[in-house]
Amino acid sequence: EAQVTQNPRYLITVTGKKLTVTCSQNMNHEYMSWYRQDPGLGLRQIYYSMNVEVTDKGDVPEGYKVSRKEKRNFPLILESPSPNQTSLYFCASSSSGGKNTGELFFGEGSRLTVL
Amino acid sequence: ELKVEQNPLFLSMQEGKNYTIYCNYSTTSDRLYWYRQDPGKSLESLFVLLSNGAVKQEGRLMASLDTKARLSTLHITAAVHDLSATYFCAVALYGGATNKLIFGTGTLLAVQP
Repeated sequence: EAQVTQNPRYLITVTGKKLTVTCSQNMNHEYMSWYRQDPGLGLRQIYYSMNVEVTDKGDVPEGYKVSRKEKRNFPLILESPSPNQTSLYFCASSSSGGKNTGELFFGEGSRLTVL
Repeated sequence: ELKVEQNPLFLSMQEGKNYTIYCNYSTTSDRLYWYRQDPGKSLESLFVLLSNGAVKQEGRLMASLDTKARLSTLHITAAVHDLSATYFCAVALYGGATNKLIFGTGTLLAVQP
């Protein structure tokens, strides 16, 4: 089954404790992206990756890091989480081929609470 | 900067009624997407609209795209309770190579029995 898998799905942590949210897709997609969703603000892009070893900032990258060492994986790293990073996070992927539609496929989401 | 606006933000309707959700965007784009999100769940792709005049239908939902007006509509016919969810439109940056989508803030649809 084609899917985007995120872990953990739920996490409560404390300020300053480093954490990583993993994301893996099995569709051989080149493009992967992280979004955060907050009430009244919709979905905002944090980082994206066009392919292995190619990453770039989205609209709200402060406080986050990413890496793309393998095509299927795109982890989101919070080096020193703060309460304003409490949010619902989504990983998404899509194909970047010549006839691709650009349709994003989303993971199930990771709800993060930073105390 | 591409901005995407949806209206209404909240829609309460009775079963059996028809209604339309509007999605306006501020700059040229050739790709528009509609997603559905149930509370606490992921986003599910509903429609992909890739050209001016594109119309797609699935069950009680029909989406259309007018790139000249920079407008997409999601029409709901004879609503049923199962359609209650938040609906997002998302627009791709024109000519962009990044597959980046800009999302509207969503329309929360509540269908009352």
